[in-house]
Amino acid sequence: NAGVTQTPKFQVLKTGQSMTLQCAQDMNHNSMYWYRQDPGMGLRLIYYSASEGTTDKGEVPNGYNVSRLNKREFSLRLESAAPSQTSVYFCASSEWRERTDTQYFGPGTRLTVL
Amino acid sequence: GQSLEQPSEVTAVEGAIVQINCTYQTSGFYGLSWYQQHDGGAPTFLSYNALDGLEETGRFSSFLSRSDSYGYLLLQELQMKDSASYFCAVRSRGKLIFGQGTELSVKP
Repeated sequence: NAGVTQTPKFQVLKTGQSMTLQCAQDMNHNSMYWYRQDPGMGLRLIYYSASEGTTDKGEVPNGYNVSRLNKREFSLRLESAAPSQTSVYFCASSEWRERTDTQYFGPGTRLTVL
Repeated sequence: GQSLEQPSEVTAVEGAIVQINCTYQTSGFYGLSWYQQHDGGAPTFLSYNALDGLEETGRFSSFLSRSDSYGYLLLQELQMKDSASYFCAVRSRGKLIFGQGTELSVKP
């Protein structure tokens, strides 16, 4: 099992360019998430998808869109990149119950917007 | 909304015991989790408490008091490899929200 995979690992964009970050999981989880992490900071939730066909905003959704393509894949799109979006982006998936809750993270995408 | 508070930094020596506290405010609380993140890496799951009390996993233990909205992570027999950031997180209405993280430095 690969777990959670993300592409690309690194990306440099110019202000105003667009791009899509890809994420896939092979653990048959219903829930998937996108977080961003700025240097020395915690993880801030951008968007999440509780199940296939649903998406909801997290703490910092402005400037992003998401697509839950199927149960495995959850993509994050930056329509017009800004320097403030320079960050490390983590995708995660989980299958949580009342007594168990483990979230699995991908390796991250390091994005620089010039 | 939700908020979590944890110390920003903790320093300890190899072989010692360290406790990282976390207080939270949230609606619809399900449980408190702890994650470890080494520099440049992805966060990895350490423990989860849904009920009051202590959960032990090897050298790591985690405690929860729901009435006090408080939990802690206890690391025993510290090793150099335990130097990392530690995040508490709460599950609320389907979302997992993280604290700002505690950077643990283990000195020889």
